[in-house]
Amino acid sequence: EADIYQTPRYLVIGTGKKITLECSQTMGHDKMYWYQQDPGMELHLIHYSYGVNSTEKGDLSSESTVSRIRTEHFPLTLESARPSHTSQYLCASSEYVGTATEAFFGQGTRLTVV
Amino acid sequence: QQQVKQSPQSLIVQKGGIPIINCAYENTAFDYFPWYQQFPGKGPALLIAIRPDVSEKKEGRFTISFNKSAKQFSLHIMDSQPGDSATYFCAASVGSGNTPLVFGKGTRLSVIA
Repeated sequence: EADIYQTPRYLVIGTGKKITLECSQTMGHDKMYWYQQDPGMELHLIHYSYGVNSTEKGDLSSESTVSRIRTEHFPLTLESARPSHTSQYLCASSEYVGTATEAFFGQGTRLTVV
Repeated sequence: QQQVKQSPQSLIVQKGGIPIINCAYENTAFDYFPWYQQFPGKGPALLIAIRPDVSEKKEGRFTISFNKSAKQFSLHIMDSQPGDSATYFCAASVGSGNTPLVFGKGTRLSVIA
């Protein structure tokens, strides 16, 4: 079982509200990621970090921001939620062991903006 | 432009059958090709992965076949079981997985008894 936790699991919020999705991992991994998963299943990379004070935007244009002040914590913030932000958000961390890299995913936060 | 193309989108097989999911890529810099399995309400979990220096890798009932010249790879599930019903994602990465994974669109597999 992966030690990566996302809270909340489900969130319904009104348009214009500011929200922060939490992600924490206890494995000491430097690399962490946020993916958006649409109802059609596809995973889109929105942000990633290679360590403390390192953040990069992913392939999908996003109005969210992230921070990485501590290794174990990688929160994602939406300053003003819109219905178009309704989606499943998955956080992951990864480590390179031997010749393989494994990414560990949290269970996700299902966000609904009304 | 999608970097990793996955097919089919959905697949239904009988118990004991051998579902095959295919993926194709364009970026020749990709050197790491994992498959992830996702059950409803859960995040994806690594199933099996391959590097381009081998043409096949087996782990239990799961096999990856890799064709470097065709830039294609596929997942075969031997003796499929209802418990294998899940969504499967192929992915690719540069630097042996040290760059963010690029995922295919996913295949929803149903194994019926």
